[in-house]
Amino acid sequence: EAQVTQNPRYLITVTGKKLTVTCSQNMNHEYMSWYRQDPGLGLRQIYYSMNVEVTDKGDVPEGYKVSRKEKRNFPLILESPSPNQTSLYFCASSPDRAPGGNQPQHFGDGTRLSIL
Amino acid sequence: RKEVEQDPGPFNVPEGATVAFNCTYSNSASQSFFWYRQDCRKEPKLLMSVYSSGNEDGRFTAQLNRASQYISLLIRDSKLSDSATYLCVVFRVIKAAGNKLTFGGGTRVLVKP
Repeated sequence: EAQVTQNPRYLITVTGKKLTVTCSQNMNHEYMSWYRQDPGLGLRQIYYSMNVEVTDKGDVPEGYKVSRKEKRNFPLILESPSPNQTSLYFCASSPDRAPGGNQPQHFGDGTRLSIL
Repeated sequence: RKEVEQDPGPFNVPEGATVAFNCTYSNSASQSFFWYRQDCRKEPKLLMSVYSSGNEDGRFTAQLNRASQYISLLIRDSKLSDSATYLCVVFRVIKAAGNKLTFGGGTRVLVKP
């Protein structure tokens, strides 16, 4: 089954404790992206990657890192999480380098992070 | 001003009625437009792309007005299962090797018996 898999689905942790949210897709998609969703602010892009070893900042990259060493994986790293990073996070992938036209983004199920 | 704006709603719709709502975008260089549907606490899913000439998919009709910089979604014969948040998504190229995909805050629709 074609899917985007995120782990963990839920995480409660403390300020400053490094964490990684994994994202993996089995559709051979080139484009992958991370979003956070907050009430009243909608979905905001954190980072995206158009291909292996190619990553770029989205609208809200501060406090996050990503890597794209393999096509299928795009982990999101919070080196020193803070309470303002408490949010619902989505990973997404798309077959094109530049999603547009008829290329939908496929989203993972989401990861709910709480930073205390 | 936000790049993509939507009325958050909720739009309370009697079952079987028609509902329509808009999404405005501020950047005239925007190239592609989409409507996504998101159920509570779940991932967004593509509902339909929006084409320049307007397009229809069953009970859903999308329109694009480039002059006034907005897109619209109309739902006919509303079903209870149409209750969801509808996200407007706008795409544009920002540089030779990059792009920007911006989501609106969503419009919540509640269909009631």
